[in-house]
Amino acid sequence: DAGVIQSPRHEVTEMGQEVTLRCKPISGHNSLFWYRQTMMRGLELLIYFNNNVPIDDSGMPEDRFSAKMPNASFSTLKIQPSEPRDSAVYFCASSRRNRASYEQYFGPGTRLTVT
Amino acid sequence: AQTVTQSQPEMSVQEAETVTLSCTYDTSESDYYLFWYKQPPSRQMILVIRQEAYKQQNATENRFSVNFQKAAKSFSLKISDSQLGDAAMYFCAYKIPEEGGSEKLVFGKGTKLTVNP
Repeated sequence: DAGVIQSPRHEVTEMGQEVTLRCKPISGHNSLFWYRQTMMRGLELLIYFNNNVPIDDSGMPEDRFSAKMPNASFSTLKIQPSEPRDSAVYFCASSRRNRASYEQYFGPGTRLTVT
Repeated sequence: AQTVTQSQPEMSVQEAETVTLSCTYDTSESDYYLFWYKQPPSRQMILVIRQEAYKQQNATENRFSVNFQKAAKSFSLKISDSQLGDAAMYFCAYKIPEEGGSEKLVFGKGTKLTVNP
């Protein structure tokens, strides 16, 4: 069984450029989460979806960040325009939303560097 | 608001010895879940062990066990017979059940574990 797939694994871009991070959740999972990890702030939840619908985006830092989930097998996190302070590791995670199964499975992360 | 505190930024242990990582949390809920995740240098987040708050019995997974003290809001992780592959960042996390609550995992800041040969 394939785990959560993220691409790219590494992204280096210049300030002001648009960045798109991609995620494919585990098949059959109906919840998807985007996290950001930095040394200063640790792991932060940015947004999560249930059945492709955004439920809580209160962690999205500002309007430069947007996330979509057009179908059950694909999600994107976009930063436009990017800034050096956006440099971080971005994780996608998925879970099957019911009480019997609440574990979140994480992807390998995308390391973003904005110069 | 729920918070998770890991008071030990770094810990070290000799190979084959036992180490305990601390975690405390703050919540007004009575039903919730607690987790320990491991993040090795590959940065992949891996679930180590989980505990349901309604269960009195401490969870165990092979060499990993927890000491869950609900009244004290404490959830420590014990690693027995430490191996070199256990070296990683360990994160404690908290989640309230989905009914009437969010799907969010609240993470602690992590404890970096070094295993010395």
